[in-house]
Amino acid sequence: EVQLKESGGGLVQPGGSLRLSCAASGFTFSNSWMSWVRQAPGKGLEWVANMKQDGRDKNYVDSVKGRFTISRDNARNSLYLQMDSLRVEDTAVYYCAKQQCGGDCDFDSWGQGTLVTVSS
Amino acid sequence: SYELTQPPSVFVSPGQTATITCSGDNLGEKYASWYQQKPGQSPILVIYQDDRRPSGIPERFSGSNSGNTATLTISGTQAVDEADYYCQAWDINTYVFGRGTKVTVL
Repeated sequence: EVQLKESGGGLVQPGGSLRLSCAASGFTFSNSWMSWVRQAPGKGLEWVANMKQDGRDKNYVDSVKGRFTISRDNARNSLYLQMDSLRVEDTAVYYCAKQQCGGDCDFDSWGQGTLVTVSS
Repeated sequence: SYELTQPPSVFVSPGQTATITCSGDNLGEKYASWYQQKPGQSPILVIYQDDRRPSGIPERFSGSNSGNTATLTISGTQAVDEADYYCQAWDINTYVFGRGTKVTVL
């Protein structure tokens, strides 16, 4: 059974930093694209970033480019999101999501999410 | 930037068919996926690559995609299907979600 467990969320002031982690199990982590997807309170889903299996290809939504950094450790089956220069509008539940790719990629498994609150 | 448009809400009676649309420029040339999210829970993939159903998803969920519109159909809708549904597609290294449709079974 695929399991994804996020951690590292919390309350941070605007301009601050947080590092999210996602522990993966139940599948071959090193064979999968992985993503972070967020959901602001009462709002819809927004893809944030993803990373290729070997870590050589990363993509970001425009609103986080230059502030967020995605990384992974295949030896530890873990995905990370370093969030710097946080803004109030980054407040959201952040989900770790496994991608399946066949002609295109979708998000076939999701973690339970971790809440990030940016507020003074 | 690419946008996907969904109706905010759909109302359906138990046992009837719920139809949820998702519109985007030439969406039929891309793959569309659909996710179900119940209150307080994480999203679940219910349709991928336009019309494929993951294992464990009931047969009453089906999808199609042509022209500018992708459609999620729930046949014989049950009370447990009440949830928010999001469509999703990929466009130039960006994954785009629709704003979601709340399906109410009443």
